[in-house]
Amino acid sequence: AQKVTQAQTEISVVEKEDVTLDCVYETRDTTYYLFWYKQPPSGELVFLIRRNSFDEQNEISGRYSWNFQKSTSSFNFTITASQVVDSAVYFCALREDEAGGATNKLIFGTGTLLAVQP
Amino acid sequence: ETGVTQTPRHLVMGMTNKKSLKCEQHLGHNAMYWYKQSAKKPLELMFVYSLEERVENNSVPSRFSPECPNSSHLFLHLHTLQPEDSALYLCASSQRQYQETQYFGPGTRLLVL
Repeated sequence: AQKVTQAQTEISVVEKEDVTLDCVYETRDTTYYLFWYKQPPSGELVFLIRRNSFDEQNEISGRYSWNFQKSTSSFNFTITASQVVDSAVYFCALREDEAGGATNKLIFGTGTLLAVQP
Repeated sequence: ETGVTQTPRHLVMGMTNKKSLKCEQHLGHNAMYWYKQSAKKPLELMFVYSLEERVENNSVPSRFSPECPNSSHLFLHLHTLQPEDSALYLCASSQRQYQETQYFGPGTRLLVL
């Protein structure tokens, strides 16, 4: 069975601190995709990144960086120098690949609420 | 991208009402999705449409009835809902059905009394 675990329910930091959001996944597929989405209070899920299972290179985009480690089945997300606007719920998701990804079904974690205090 | 819109943003309905949620995507995508987000639970995929055909129905009760008249529009018709159906309903779209990133709308927050 495929599963995504975000063990951190809530994290509170002070502005300018660095913060890492953890994501651990389970899958028996050799080919899969991992995603991070941000959900601000407005409700819309904002796509942040997509990573396939064959690309273990870490990625950096401005203050955001992602650490993908297949050996530990983790895909952690770090925000450097956090800002109040980063306050949101962050979801990690895994895309099933059964039937060649025919349904494009995303398995979401329960999310981590990040509160950045000024 | 902010090319997926949903209306209404908020909806309160009684258990005997009939209402519809609307989703429109302006991204030229061919696949659309309905998700349910309940408190303290992961997002649940409800329906998938590809090229206006339903390709996934995740054991959703028949009181939820989707409709996809064209590749830009997706509806969710609601009938005789239960209080436990109160949730945020999110629509998403992707370029194609297979292996594509999904882009989400802002959701409709539904309260069933």
